[in-house]
Amino acid sequence: GQNIDQPTEMTATEGAIVQINCTYQTSGFNGLFWYQQHAGEAPTFLSYNVLDGLEEKGRFSSFLSRSKGYSYLLLKELQMKDSASYLCAALLRNSGNTPLVFGKGTRLSVIA
Amino acid sequence: DAGVIQSPRHEVTEMGQEVTLRCKPISGHNSLFWYRQTMMRGLELLIYFNNNVPIDDSGMPEDRFSAKMPNASFSTLKIQPSEPRDSAVYFCASSNTGLASEQYFGPGTRLTVT
Repeated sequence: GQNIDQPTEMTATEGAIVQINCTYQTSGFNGLFWYQQHAGEAPTFLSYNVLDGLEEKGRFSSFLSRSKGYSYLLLKELQMKDSASYLCAALLRNSGNTPLVFGKGTRLSVIA
Repeated sequence: DAGVIQSPRHEVTEMGQEVTLRCKPISGHNSLFWYRQTMMRGLELLIYFNNNVPIDDSGMPEDRFSAKMPNASFSTLKIQPSEPRDSAVYFCASSNTGLASEQYFGPGTRLTVT
């Protein structure tokens, strides 16, 4: 079956750097998404990685290693508003099942 | 620009009743997605459409669920009959170019089935 794992909760300090990991065991992997979801709100897109390596977008960066089935989201200069859930999702091809599988999300708390 | 619009925002209904959720995608987007989110199961893709045509409905839980997209600016997700386990937040999202692109989510419909 398809499996996406990420830590349930993390806590980090304002101004610091935090890395949120995501591992996946899937067949027919195409790429990996990261979404941010504040409590009671809809998810918003952060990144989509297809190739190995790091992609930087402002304070947020996303990394993918296809050979290791591993991705991380790196948040720098943390702000209180970054407190949210972060969802990783694997896009699959010809899976026979749903083509987009989400992890349960990592709830990040940023403290002063 | 208006984002994805969903209605109603909240729905409370009794078990056995029919529920219809509505979605208007962003104008110009040709892909539309329906999701369900619960604490237990997380965010799940139910079905998605390209150019108003259903492409993959493998995430639809059972025959009680159906979705239609009669035109480029409107879609419905219907549950008939509803059951308490259908209680969840249902999101609609749209994108320019199918699954492998940024999706814009609507605010969601919180459904409670008693």
